[in-house]
Amino acid sequence: GAGVSQSPRYKVAKRGQDVALRCDPISGHVSLFWYQQALGQGPEFLTYFQNEAQLDKSGLPSDRFFAERPEGSVSTLKIQRTQQEDSAVYLCASSLPGSYTGELFFGEGSRLTVL
Amino acid sequence: GQQVMQIPQYQHVQEGEDFTTYCNSSTTLSNIQWYKQRPGGHPVFLIQLVKSGEVKKQKRLTFQFGEAKKNSSLHITATQTTDVGTYFCGRTDSWGKLQFGAGTQVVVTP
Repeated sequence: GAGVSQSPRYKVAKRGQDVALRCDPISGHVSLFWYQQALGQGPEFLTYFQNEAQLDKSGLPSDRFFAERPEGSVSTLKIQRTQQEDSAVYLCASSLPGSYTGELFFGEGSRLTVL
Repeated sequence: GQQVMQIPQYQHVQEGEDFTTYCNSSTTLSNIQWYKQRPGGHPVFLIQLVKSGEVKKQKRLTFQFGEAKKNSSLHITATQTTDVGTYFCGRTDSWGKLQFGAGTQVVVTP
């Protein structure tokens, strides 16, 4: 596609439910990043993939958060047993490593509200 | 990780005025990137600076990287209502992982 696509755009979950957020990066982009953005805050890094390899997951806030990219393209961020503090916008970004500008291309985000 | 600090956190500007937002680090940066996020939108890349003392212009926006590569600034001249949004600076590591500052939220009044 033309840009990074994320779904669902909006998700309301009851506390304790599991959720799965999908990211479809720009075709050919090797690097994929997940960020969490709370209201009024800057995006916080969660995890990074290069192709199918998860090279950095230091930003995942707890073991309830899990991300995968099994075929090196689409990625899924899964949150188990959601808590109210998980409410945020989850942003996915992709890039080409070594690109001249170093630009990250962000999707529109998935807004998660946990009741 | 090493954070970048942005000031001010909030900027209220009259249309037509100029303003500057700053990005500071306690350590030397290999590069600095700037992004703009409109209300309800997602971050959109503006520019990357890599050279000491580098200055780049995009129409009414002027970006500068300090000589010591520890600070950067974004200056906007003749502010327009389309400049509304939050401006983030950030540093990237060798893999391209971007660490954002807290951002400067810009409100423009006509």
